Amino acid sequence: AQSVTQLGSHVSVSEGALVLLRCNYSSSVPPYLFWYVQYPNQGLQLLLKYTSAATLVKGINGFEAEFKKSETSFHLTKPSAHMSDAAEYFCAVSNSGGYQKVTFGIGTKLQVIP
Amino acid sequence: DTGVSQDPRHKITKRGQNVTFRCDPISEHNRLYWYRQTLGQGPEFLTYFQNEAQLEKSRLLSDRFSAERPKGSFSTLEIQRTEQGDSAMYLCASSLGLAYNEQFFGPGTRLTVL
Repeated sequence: AQSVTQLGSHVSVSEGALVLLRCNYSSSVPPYLFWYVQYPNQGLQLLLKYTSAATLVKGINGFEAEFKKSETSFHLTKPSAHMSDAAEYFCAVSNSGGYQKVTFGIGTKLQVIP
Repeated sequence: DTGVSQDPRHKITKRGQNVTFRCDPISEHNRLYWYRQTLGQGPEFLTYFQNEAQLEKSRLLSDRFSAERPKGSFSTLEIQRTEQGDSAMYLCASSLGLAYNEQFFGPGTRLTVL
């Protein structure tokens, strides 16, 4: 069984401030981990993924995430928020075998305050 | 690469009617997934195809739901005798059959059942 928990359904940051979106995972096998972003009325876009290579993963739009096995965490960060970052962010986990069924968290809505 | 497309983007129907959605995956992708997303939730897995074979169905997929991928290319999701609880965004995703599961999502079909 696999699951993810996203802490904070809504996060507000000021423009230019650090963005930190939290995700903890549970998986009985080595996981693959993903962060997706969803803009209103659109599908999901992959920001970055962890697939057991480097623990610090860099993605698009200046985002990065660090895989910490000891903490079962995969938090998403960005040093400086931009207004265009306002969206909903989903953490997801899949197993590393079979067809890799993906399980999503409930999402964190990021608000960027000018 | 034109991305994953879904049709229609919006569907309003009356309770008890049947509806059908179409998904066209990225052309070289052999895996296709359907998800349902309700307000305030992350996408929930419904079913998965490897080429034309439907390999797994979620318990969320009641007997009123049926999905097909007849030639291993586009897929259809039909809901019979729609209920108000079926109102949601239906997302389609596709991926290559690689070791990690990077799924590319379509824009979704928003279903409203009156």
